[in-house]
Amino acid sequence: DGGITQSPKYLFRKEGQNVTLSCEQNLNHDAMYWYRQDPGQGLRLIYYSQIVNDFQKGDIAEGYSVSREKKESFPLTVTSAQKNPTAFYLCASSPSLRGNQPQHFGDGTRLSIL
Amino acid sequence: KQEVTQIPAALSVPEGENLVLNCSFTDSAIYNLQWFRQDPGKGLTSLLLIQSSQREQTSGRLNASLDKSSGRSTLYIAASQPGDSATYLCAVPKTGANNLFFGTGTRLTVIP
Repeated sequence: DGGITQSPKYLFRKEGQNVTLSCEQNLNHDAMYWYRQDPGQGLRLIYYSQIVNDFQKGDIAEGYSVSREKKESFPLTVTSAQKNPTAFYLCASSPSLRGNQPQHFGDGTRLSIL
Repeated sequence: KQEVTQIPAALSVPEGENLVLNCSFTDSAIYNLQWFRQDPGKGLTSLLLIQSSQREQTSGRLNASLDKSSGRSTLYIAASQPGDSATYLCAVPKTGANNLFFGTGTRLTVIP
């Protein structure tokens, strides 16, 4: 079945450590997105990518980095500069960035600080 | 900047009741509005996408309406079941792109 796979499901980070969250899709979608979800808040956009080798900052990009070397993959790195990384991270994709197309989501990665 | 609001934040109903969830947005220049369901600790499942040119969209027991001029959408759930218990989120895309602005959701509990 086509879909979006995020791994790991749970991740723990030590102080000063960078960690990378994986997102893979087999939907043949061009556009991919990373959102952060905190309790009591709506999802907020971290980064998005329209096509391979291209990505743009979202509303809360500070302390995060991404790459888009393959169409299927859009990994998110949470760097040590992100001072409050504990959150639920969701990856999504859509056929393109055109605003009339639905986004499909993965099952998320929960990141916690040790 | 687009702001999306969902009221109420939480709702409990007995099984079998019909219910309405509300979503409002401040900028009416939207392409569409999407309703999602989120189970605890899980990702989002798309329920309905209603285009700006549409007034309603239906899927099974779910019916979404959209009134762009007033900046409102409703999600109607008929004959609620315990399995409908989840958080329901609405979202609209950013003008000129597909980045979504989300509401904070309504947590629905259907009591058997």
